[in-house]
Amino acid sequence: AQSVTQLGSHVSVSEGALVLLRCNYSSSVPPYLFWYVQYPNQGLQLLLKYTSAATLVKGINGFEAEFKKSETSFHLTKPSAHMSDAAEYFCAVSEATGGYNKLIFGAGTRLAVHP
Amino acid sequence: DAGVIQSPRHEVTEMGQEVTLRCKPISGHNSLFWYRQTMMRGLELLIYFNNNVPIDDSGMPEDRFSAKMPNASFSTLKIQPSEPRDSAVYFCASSRDSVTEAFFGQGTRLTVV
Repeated sequence: AQSVTQLGSHVSVSEGALVLLRCNYSSSVPPYLFWYVQYPNQGLQLLLKYTSAATLVKGINGFEAEFKKSETSFHLTKPSAHMSDAAEYFCAVSEATGGYNKLIFGAGTRLAVHP
Repeated sequence: DAGVIQSPRHEVTEMGQEVTLRCKPISGHNSLFWYRQTMMRGLELLIYFNNNVPIDDSGMPEDRFSAKMPNASFSTLKIQPSEPRDSAVYFCASSRDSVTEAFFGQGTRLTVV
């Protein structure tokens, strides 16, 4: 079965600093990978997705992620953090099972941004 | 489109009572997912429908949980009888097909006292 590991359940950065949220996956076939963001009391919102096209994927709100097959990683970055980026971030992989695909989520990383 | 619509947004019920959560997926989407989110266990996939047919219910915790999708525009998740450990936020999500991104509803926060 495929799985997703997010390193660091909590990450804290200063406003304006680089944001780096780590995600590693396990998959025997080229995966579809996703990053979602969840603001307090909200559902999950898609930030970006990798579907075997360009390895560097740009998403909303200035976020991007790079698919590295050799490292089985899909880390999320943003050059300059903003206070509004404080939220929980989830990495997910699409797993093929029984001819269908389902999303498997990591445990999430809570990002705090301080002035 | 209004997105995935879940109701109610909040539900407080007493242990032993039946609880029904409702979901209206995005029109045209043929895959529907029910997830449960707790602090301890994170996001867990409970059940997955494709074209109204349950494909994978291996995440349903026990027989107290059941889900139906009578048509393409409506699904329910029922807990009977409810227990305090069922307290969580339950999310419904839908996608156009099973390999594209899933769109999530706002969730139902269930509290069983």
